[in-house]
Amino acid sequence: GAGVSQSPSNKVTEKGKDVELRCDPISGHTALYWYRQRLGQGLEFLIYFQGNSAPDKSGLPSDRFSAERTGESVSTLTIQRTQQEDSAVYLCASSLGRGPGNEQFFGPGTRLTVL
Amino acid sequence: AQSVTQLDSHVSVSEGTPVLLRCNYSSSYSPSLFWYVQHPNKGLQLLLKYTSAATLVKGINGFEAEFKKSETSFHLTKPSAHMSDAAEYFCVVSDALYSGGGADGLTFGKGTHLIIQP
Repeated sequence: GAGVSQSPSNKVTEKGKDVELRCDPISGHTALYWYRQRLGQGLEFLIYFQGNSAPDKSGLPSDRFSAERTGESVSTLTIQRTQQEDSAVYLCASSLGRGPGNEQFFGPGTRLTVL
Repeated sequence: AQSVTQLDSHVSVSEGTPVLLRCNYSSSYSPSLFWYVQHPNKGLQLLLKYTSAATLVKGINGFEAEFKKSETSFHLTKPSAHMSDAAEYFCVVSDALYSGGGADGLTFGKGTHLIIQP
């Protein structure tokens, strides 16, 4: 079956431009997560959706970052006025439900490079 | 509060020899612990998880890990390394009593890069 997919796989943008990153979770998975992975670092949590509501936005690093989700389907992460420190791999994951007992399935990531 | 420390940023072993990737954690509650593997240009894949059942956990591809509460450790081992094991490995801790916070309390280590020498 299809796993979590993300697009684009690579994105190069100029400082100050806006970018949109897309995540298609596994069908039927109610929980969706966005993470950021900087070079040589572990994963940094950004935001979590249960259905289309976001009960936990605590990881968003600034108000330039926002995300939305349509129903229990596609999610987009938007970064406005990108900065060079935003360069990272952005990973999306989905799970059947919430809680540590539910395995999170990860997409391949979007590598964002801000010049 | 919870944290996880992967003691080695890089581990190099010869093919056919044992693998040991070290992980220590701290948690205010009874934790759930995970190991994920990330191959180049591929998504993270769950290797195994501990959620308060048997302390020796067997995962995919011959990997296993032992939860040692007295040592606050969850080291990952494999008896015989294969070239296909070369990847980045992440130890992850989660508070079993979800008290709020990001991603259901998941905290990732910084990763250990496993290199397999032929």
